[in-house]
Amino acid sequence: GQNIDQPTEMTATEGAIVQINCTYQTSGFNGLFWYQQHAGEAPTFLSYNVLDGLEEKGRFSSFLSRSKGYSYLLLKELQMKDSASYLCAGRKSNYQLIWGAGTKLIIKP
Amino acid sequence: DAGITQSPRYKITETGRQVTLMCHQTWSHSYMFWYRQDLGHGLRLIYYSAAADITDKGEVPDGYVVSRSKTENFPLTLESATRSQTSVYFCASSERRGGQDTQYFGPGTRLTVL
Repeated sequence: GQNIDQPTEMTATEGAIVQINCTYQTSGFNGLFWYQQHAGEAPTFLSYNVLDGLEEKGRFSSFLSRSKGYSYLLLKELQMKDSASYLCAGRKSNYQLIWGAGTKLIIKP
Repeated sequence: DAGITQSPRYKITETGRQVTLMCHQTWSHSYMFWYRQDLGHGLRLIYYSAAADITDKGEVPDGYVVSRSKTENFPLTLESATRSQTSVYFCASSERRGGQDTQYFGPGTRLTVL
């Protein structure tokens, strides 16, 4: 299948940096999305990588290595409001997204 | 600008009943999607639509029916609800611009089937 794997849960401290990893099979996807989802709410778009390398957007950065089937989301200067689930999704050529189960990020003061 | 809305937000129904979940978007996006989200699973695609009158099955279509007579609406019908269809349902829409087709999600419908 075209599984997307990411850790179930991570804990980090306010003000610190955390890296959330996402791995997938190298064939079948032509882009990688990251979404944020607060409890009880809808997913919201964070980033999209189609080429290898790092894309930076303020406190959030996303990295993609297509040859290794690997992506990560880097969150800097963590704030309590960053407590949420982070969803990784691979984009197929027919516009469909295949989603990981999400990583629940817990921020402690 | 409402964006993408879903109704109802919460629904409780009984096994065997027909239920329709509504989705409406004001962006005139071509693509629309229905997902279900369950604990321990990623979002799973039920059906999607590339344009009015064009729909296709996703990963978990059994027990669901969709239609898209107008670009802005994409209702999802559970023909005879089962307990296994208890879930949170998200509608999303997207438009391809510059090679990117970000999906934007509605607020979700929490459905309980008793």
